[in-house]
Amino acid sequence: GAGVSQSPSNKVTEKGKDVELRCDPISGHTALYWYRQRLGQGLEFLIYFQGNSAPDKSGLPSDRFSAERTGESVSTLTIQRTQQEDSAVYLCASSFGSSRAGETQYFGPGTRLLVL
Amino acid sequence: AQSVAQPEDQVNVAEGNPLTVKCTYSVSGNPYLFWYVQYPNRGLQFLLKYITGDNLVKGSYGFEAEFNKSQTSFHLKKPSALVSDSALYFCAVSNQGGKLIFGQGTELSVKP
Repeated sequence: GAGVSQSPSNKVTEKGKDVELRCDPISGHTALYWYRQRLGQGLEFLIYFQGNSAPDKSGLPSDRFSAERTGESVSTLTIQRTQQEDSAVYLCASSFGSSRAGETQYFGPGTRLLVL
Repeated sequence: AQSVAQPEDQVNVAEGNPLTVKCTYSVSGNPYLFWYVQYPNRGLQFLLKYITGDNLVKGSYGFEAEFNKSQTSFHLKKPSALVSDSALYFCAVSNQGGKLIFGQGTELSVKP
């Protein structure tokens, strides 16, 4: 079946503008994760949605970052008043979300964000 | 706090030789360990994971990894490297359902 999809694949914006990044998880996956990958670095956890539970927002770097998820479907990551340090690849992942530890997360291709 | 270390930024091997990409972890409780691979301009692809049971885990594309609890390590191995294995490899840990903590990544270069 289809994997995790993300849009846009690339986004160039000017400092101070708001951006929205979209993630479509694998059908049937109730858990959805956002990560950020800065150039030459590992992935940083941002936020985690599991079913109808309150999201784990512990990784969001500032209040300019927010995310929403519609039911167990699409998620949108919003960055307000973008800064140059927000330039990174934003990766979305999904998993079955059965609350079993060690579930495999499946990643989308990412959105490459460049803030000028 | 959970953490993962990949001590080598880059590993170079000749095609046909065995390869090892190192990973050590720090976590309270039982660790759940993962290896992912990232090809240029692509997302991460799952290779293998350790949850419990046999310490030697076999995964995709001929890769395997050995869990060593006493050394808190989970090194990735392959008996015979291919040029097409050249990519960025990430080790990650989770000790409960939810987020993964990733290492900084190791660039593997396999030369003909």
